[in-house]
Amino acid sequence: NAGVMQNPRHLVRRRGQEARLRCSPMKGHSHVYWYRQLPEEGLKFMVYLQKENIIDESGMPKERFSAEFPKEGPSILRIQQVVRGDSAAYFCASSLGGTTDTQYFGPGTRLTVL
Amino acid sequence: KQEVTQIPAALSVPEGENLVLNCSFTDSAIYNLQWFRQDPGKGLTSLLLIQSSQREQTSGRLNASLDKSSGRSTLYIAASQPGDSATYLCAVIYGGSNYKLTFGKGTLLTVNP
Repeated sequence: NAGVMQNPRHLVRRRGQEARLRCSPMKGHSHVYWYRQLPEEGLKFMVYLQKENIIDESGMPKERFSAEFPKEGPSILRIQQVVRGDSAAYFCASSLGGTTDTQYFGPGTRLTVL
Repeated sequence: KQEVTQIPAALSVPEGENLVLNCSFTDSAIYNLQWFRQDPGKGLTSLLLIQSSQREQTSGRLNASLDKSSGRSTLYIAASQPGDSATYLCAVIYGGSNYKLTFGKGTLLTVNP
């Protein structure tokens, strides 16, 4: 059973461009979480999605950031008009059920904004 | 504010030494506490998960304890090896959100041969 997959592993963007980060959950998992790790900071919760639904986006910046988890295909975290402060590692996790089920993490996408 | 604090931020020990990593949390109303390992440039690997009703969990050379009343958890690593070198993260699911992991900043462990 493959683990959580994220791509790309590394992404470089210039200021003002768009970044799209993809996450494929573990097989059978329908709950996806995105976390961000800024330099010298701990991981911070961004958003929790189930298939076709955003359950909690309380950790997402109000502007430029959006997330989706369509019925088919991976979950996408989209950052529009990136700025240098968006440079971070973005981790996706998935779980079989919601509530306190164990979350399994992917390897992360390291975004660098030039 | 619900936070997680880990001390020390970094620790360097000689191979074979037993060691303890500390984690504290600000609210005793938690669902569970989890210890992760993060290797440079890699994702997170779950080591141990302690439910709020439990006092400790063990896996091989690792033992994690939980004391909700004092808001503390410790990760004990016995007979450390160079392969244990990594960043160790503590994360808590606080009551009120039964899925949102709140992470500490981690302890960077270096085990010297």
